[in-house]
Amino acid sequence: DADVTQTPRNRITKTGKRIMLECSQTKGHDRMYWYRQDPGLGLRLIYYSFDVKDINKGEISDGYSVSRQAQAKFSLSLESAIPNQTALYFCATSDRDRWDNQPQHFGDGTRLSIL
Amino acid sequence: GNSVTQMEGPVTLSEEAFLTINCTYTATGYPSLFWYVQYPGEGLQLLLKATKADDKGSNKGFEATYRKETTSFHLEKGSVQVSDSAVYFCALSGGNDMRFGAGTRLTVKP
Repeated sequence: DADVTQTPRNRITKTGKRIMLECSQTKGHDRMYWYRQDPGLGLRLIYYSFDVKDINKGEISDGYSVSRQAQAKFSLSLESAIPNQTALYFCATSDRDRWDNQPQHFGDGTRLSIL
Repeated sequence: GNSVTQMEGPVTLSEEAFLTINCTYTATGYPSLFWYVQYPGEGLQLLLKATKADDKGSNKGFEATYRKETTSFHLEKGSVQVSDSAVYFCALSGGNDMRFGAGTRLTVKP
């Protein structure tokens, strides 16, 4: 089984719909992240959480919200989806490290298309 | 703010050719530097990392040296294989900030 599991893997929906992407991990890591990947732009950080009670905005948080339901679960919501949120979304985890030396472990991604 | 600039692709090489993918960064403080690889349909996987100046990260024949004086972390491999075909991302981590380059697609032909 994958250490970082994202559901769904693919989703097609319409403008204005509310969407939730879910991420669960079995690595026991405290830190969890949501990114979106767009061609030519690499990965951009949407939100991150260093523990259950800690939520922080990333580079591009507008139009998104998150919930850290437990150490192992971190969900991303689009309250009212718009076409320019069409992208590949990744969840990642990392171990706690004061010096930010720990690598991130990624799920396989959710491909989201908004029509 | 922090940023990563990565050599644009795509890069196409013949098997056993030498590979260099350039990466430069801008950062305050002393970031850690990473190279990740992404195979089709998968998430990113750590390829190698370096946490301080002059450190060399290496894995699976790939190498990169943390050069503070030139703010660079170029990825190299002496002899690429078809199985190395993938997208490669340079990344920086520091001060609760993680930045990725745009990615470089490598195709290796037999």
